[in-house]
Amino acid sequence: EAGVAQSPRYKIIEKRQSVAFWCNPISGHATLYWYQQILGQGPKLLIQFQNNGVVDDSQLPKDRFSAERLKGVDSTLKIQPAKLEDSAVYLCASSPGLKETQYFGPGTRLLVL
Amino acid sequence: GDSVTQMEGPVTLSEEAFLTINCTYTATGYPSLFWYVQYPGEGLQLLLKATKADDKGSNKGFEATYRKETTSFHLEKGSVQVSDSAVYFCALLYNTDKLIFGTGTRLQVFP
Repeated sequence: EAGVAQSPRYKIIEKRQSVAFWCNPISGHATLYWYQQILGQGPKLLIQFQNNGVVDDSQLPKDRFSAERLKGVDSTLKIQPAKLEDSAVYLCASSPGLKETQYFGPGTRLLVL
Repeated sequence: GDSVTQMEGPVTLSEEAFLTINCTYTATGYPSLFWYVQYPGEGLQLLLKATKADDKGSNKGFEATYRKETTSFHLEKGSVQVSDSAVYFCALLYNTDKLIFGTGTRLQVFP
């Protein structure tokens, strides 16, 4: 069974530029999560989708971050404009449903200069 | 609020040594508990889990027991290998359906 796919794996941008990340969850998984992992810390949830609806986006900095999951499968996370403190690994995870085990993708490592 | 506390690393061991990584949690109810492992340059992989008190999760020689009385979920392995070198994250999943992670513990195993 294919795992969670993410792209790109690495991205370097300058501050104030925009960037987008893509995630394809495990087939059939209804719930999709985006986490931010800053160096030396554990991942923190940014946004959670159930099918194509948002369940929790309370920790998403909505002035610069946006995410969508059209058609309830793939998802994109966008940052516009980026700040230096956005440098982190962005992890996508999926689970069969709410409150079930989450499976993580390899992550996208973002460096903002 | 809910939180997870892990021992700070790095933990440095020789091959075949016994491993313990401590994890304690704070939650108002009975969360599910997880250990995830992150190898260099990779994402998180589920290592093991336990969903209720006294459950023991195990995988690849690693074990952890859900202790409600001490609110702990310590990770153990009887004989570590160089290939176990990674960062280990303890996490809980509770009412909010949000995984709450500890800060991670880096394990370095030398031949």
